[in-house]
Amino acid sequence: EAGVAQSPRYKIIEKRQSVAFWCNPISGHATLYWYQQILGQGPKLLIQFQNNGVVDDSQLPKDRFSAERLKGVDSTLKIQPAKLEDSAVYLCASSFRQAWGNSPLHFGNGTRLTVT
Amino acid sequence: RKEVEQDPGPFNVPEGATVAFNCTYSNSASQSFFWYRQDCRKEPKLLMSVYSSGNEDGRFTAQLNRASQYISLLIRDSKLSDSATYLCVVNINYGQNFVFGPGTRLSVLP
Repeated sequence: EAGVAQSPRYKIIEKRQSVAFWCNPISGHATLYWYQQILGQGPKLLIQFQNNGVVDDSQLPKDRFSAERLKGVDSTLKIQPAKLEDSAVYLCASSFRQAWGNSPLHFGNGTRLTVT
Repeated sequence: RKEVEQDPGPFNVPEGATVAFNCTYSNSASQSFFWYRQDCRKEPKLLMSVYSSGNEDGRFTAQLNRASQYISLLIRDSKLSDSATYLCVVNINYGQNFVFGPGTRLSVLP
């Protein structure tokens, strides 16, 4: 089974520039998550999709971050304009629905963003 | 109070030692619990789920105490390869929300 695919692996941009990250979940996983992990901290949920609908985006800084999953498969996370504090690893994860709820998360390799 | 808190660490232990990590959660409606392992500059990977009755997987034992709202992970006979950050994860609302703790870093020394 192919895992969660993310690209790019690394990105360096200047503040105020824009950047986009892409994620393709494991086939058949209806739920997709974007997490932000700052060095030394645990991952923090930015947004959760169930198919192509948003389940939770309460912690997404909507003035600069946006995400979409138009066809309910792959997803794009965008930051515009970037700030220095956005430097972090952006992790995509997916899970599938079971009778009792969602399975544990499977993560992609992440995108390491550096904003200078 | 943070939703999920963990021992601050880091833990530096010699090979062969037994080490235990604790995690507490604030939401009494939490339904499922996991331990993830994260190696340096890698993504988190599921180590084990935590069941109400407690569960064991080789050298690893996980316990859940719902009344006190804490989870533990015990590692016996530590190996060098166990060096990593261990993340406690709490699932709220039947899969709608996975909340991560800050992680506890373990270094197993030769």
